[in-house]
Amino acid sequence: GAVVSQHPSRVICKSGTSVKIECRSLDFQATTMFWYRQFPKQSLMLMATSNEGSKATYEQGVEKDKFLINHASLTLSTLTVTSAHPEDSSFYICSASAQPSGNTIYFGEGSWLTVV
Amino acid sequence: GQQLNQSPQSMFIQEGEDVSMNCTSSSIFNTWLWYKQDPGEGPVLLIALYKAGELTSNGRLTAQFGITRKDSFLNISASIPSDVGIYFCAGFTGNQFYFGTGTSLTVIP
Repeated sequence: GAVVSQHPSRVICKSGTSVKIECRSLDFQATTMFWYRQFPKQSLMLMATSNEGSKATYEQGVEKDKFLINHASLTLSTLTVTSAHPEDSSFYICSASAQPSGNTIYFGEGSWLTVV
Repeated sequence: GQQLNQSPQSMFIQEGEDVSMNCTSSSIFNTWLWYKQDPGEGPVLLIALYKAGELTSNGRLTAQFGITRKDSFLNISASIPSDVGIYFCAGFTGNQFYFGTGTSLTVIP
């Protein structure tokens, strides 16, 4: 199947700093990528949908100034957690819908963020 | 996005038993997807269904796209310990994806 890669898989950052997580579709073009947050033993929580070349659409309750999403190319989307706080510590996952039909999504491996 | 109704929420079964879980919705979908997520990892696509009535197998896993296009089920036959994890469905309307809340599966050796 199609491969979506996230980097880094684990990151620890100091409170108040910003951290960037990358999501790449390795063997297909993805016009749409999704970012999720997941708390332990809970389902995925969709944060935002990003389309290549346009602004991301954020879900209700997600601060767009805090979670900056950029989808600059058909194979790369980035999530930047700005001015991170300990409560931002979580498992962040991206997914991408494969072209041309866009009706199947593949997930990245996830990124653990710990803010200390 | 909105979540689909997925049941059961959790299952505890003996190794060798069969498992069945399903997702239902009031909306019509043109694609149903089933994923498995191991702890601390991203979900992995198990089966993709693109046509109403479609029945697709992947090893011991079988999934069906409901005739009404509003539901899907996943069966696992002869469960083994490595089947442990969270299974969830996703449906695509043509515009948007919706996700099930997940079924946590525990297999007792």
